[in-house]
Amino acid sequence: NAGVTQTPKFQVLKTGQSMTLQCAQDMNHNSMYWYRQDPGMGLRLIYYSASEGTTDKGEVPNGYNVSRLNKREFSLRLESAAPSQTSVYFCASSAGGGVHPDTQYFGPGTRLTVL
Amino acid sequence: AQSVSQHNHHVILSEAASLELGCNYSYGGTVNLFWYVQYPGQHLQLLLKYFSGDPLVKGIKGFEAEFIKSKFSFNLRKPSVQWSDTAEYFCAAALNTGRRALTFGSGTRLQVQP
Repeated sequence: NAGVTQTPKFQVLKTGQSMTLQCAQDMNHNSMYWYRQDPGMGLRLIYYSASEGTTDKGEVPNGYNVSRLNKREFSLRLESAAPSQTSVYFCASSAGGGVHPDTQYFGPGTRLTVL
Repeated sequence: AQSVSQHNHHVILSEAASLELGCNYSYGGTVNLFWYVQYPGQHLQLLLKYFSGDPLVKGIKGFEAEFIKSKFSFNLRKPSVQWSDTAEYFCAAALNTGRRALTFGSGTRLQVQP
């Protein structure tokens, strides 16, 4: 049981390049999330998927797209990377399906640098 | 808009000292509250959570937090810290609505000196 896995762990891009961050969970969770972590700003929600087949914007969605490929996988795409997207990206998942927001489980993160 | 504030950005303590990290949220309705910890080089882990009931919540590793509704606060406490508690601590809140995403505070970096 690996929990939440993310690939790659590190990535360096040049401005304008594109890339996809991959996330998978093996806990049969319904909900998945993408956050970015920047110094002094905590974690900010980029996009989330409450259940398979649905996605919604979070607090900072500009410059990103997501795909909920199936129940296990939720990818984050940067179409044209910018230096402002240099950050650590965390994927998370939660069981979902109930009335109350529930515990989120986080992956190890992807450290992205855009030059 | 909902927000979470952590006013202590960097705290330095000696081993065996007591710890209290502040967390305030801004939302008048029902809210669920969490404390997560991020040890150096590791991903975020849940320390404790409050959904309802007893406002004093106990978590892992001797941590506890008290929900005070009148003060919109959910402060984290530990009576005696250890060097291994060195980490970054995040308070987070979620509205009790259909949306399940969390709003995080900016984090508090705790450094425990041996």
